[in-house]
Amino acid sequence: DTGVSQDPRHKITKRGQNVTFRCDPISEHNRLYWYRQTLGQGPEFLTYFQNEAQLEKSRLLSDRFSAERPKGSFSTLEIQRTEQGDSAMYLCASSRQGGTEAFFGQGTRLTVV
Amino acid sequence: AQSVTQPDIHITVSEGASLELRCNYSYGATPYLFWYVQSPGQGLQLLLKYFSGDTLVQGIKGFEAEFKRSQSSFNLRKPSVHWSDAAEYFCAVVSTGKLIFGQGTTLQVKP
Repeated sequence: DTGVSQDPRHKITKRGQNVTFRCDPISEHNRLYWYRQTLGQGPEFLTYFQNEAQLEKSRLLSDRFSAERPKGSFSTLEIQRTEQGDSAMYLCASSRQGGTEAFFGQGTRLTVV
Repeated sequence: AQSVTQPDIHITVSEGASLELRCNYSYGATPYLFWYVQSPGQGLQLLLKYFSGDTLVQGIKGFEAEFKRSQSSFNLRKPSVHWSDAAEYFCAVVSTGKLIFGQGTTLQVKP
C-alpha cells in the first residue's frame, strides 16, 4: 500500500512564477481531490476528478489555477502567475468511486516570496 | 449548503484526562461524517467515520464519536489522552461527493 503520494513536498517560488504539483493516488481509486489549507484553517475544496473527468471546481479555483488528470491516474495542479496569497498547503486525496472515505497525501507546502 | 462547525478553536487538556471535541453539522438528510487528525506539516489521517447504524462509532487510537441527530452533532471523545494526541482535529461531512471540513480544533496536551 503506497498511499497517496504528492510531489514536491515543499516549493518556494517567486511571485509571478508558475508552479506545478503532482499527485499520485492509490492505484485502484478513481476519484481524486485537491484541497488547499492555510494556517489555522480546515482544508478547502478546490476540485475533484472521477477518472479523467473533472466533475466540480470550487469558486476558489481562479483562472490562474488549472488541474488535469489526463489518463485517470496521476493529477497535476498548476498555478500560473503565483501571488503571495497562494501560499498554502495543497492536499491531494483519493477514494473509490461511490466511496466516501478519502485518503490524503502529505501535501505540498507552497511559499510564494 | 452543507457545513460543519467546530466551536472550539483550541483545547488544552492534561495527559490522562478525558477529551471531548465538538462538531456540529448542517445537513438535511442522514450525513456521512468523519473525524480526521493532522500532525504538524502532515496530511490528514482518518480517525473514524459514521454512515448509518450504531450511533456510537469506534475509531483508531482509542477515539470514539457519537452521532446525535437531535443535536446535529458528532462529537469526538477519548477517555484518557496521551501526549502523542496533541494535533489538529477536523470534523468533515460529505456533500455532493466531496468532503467539507470544519475549521479544526487544536489539541494541546499538558504533562
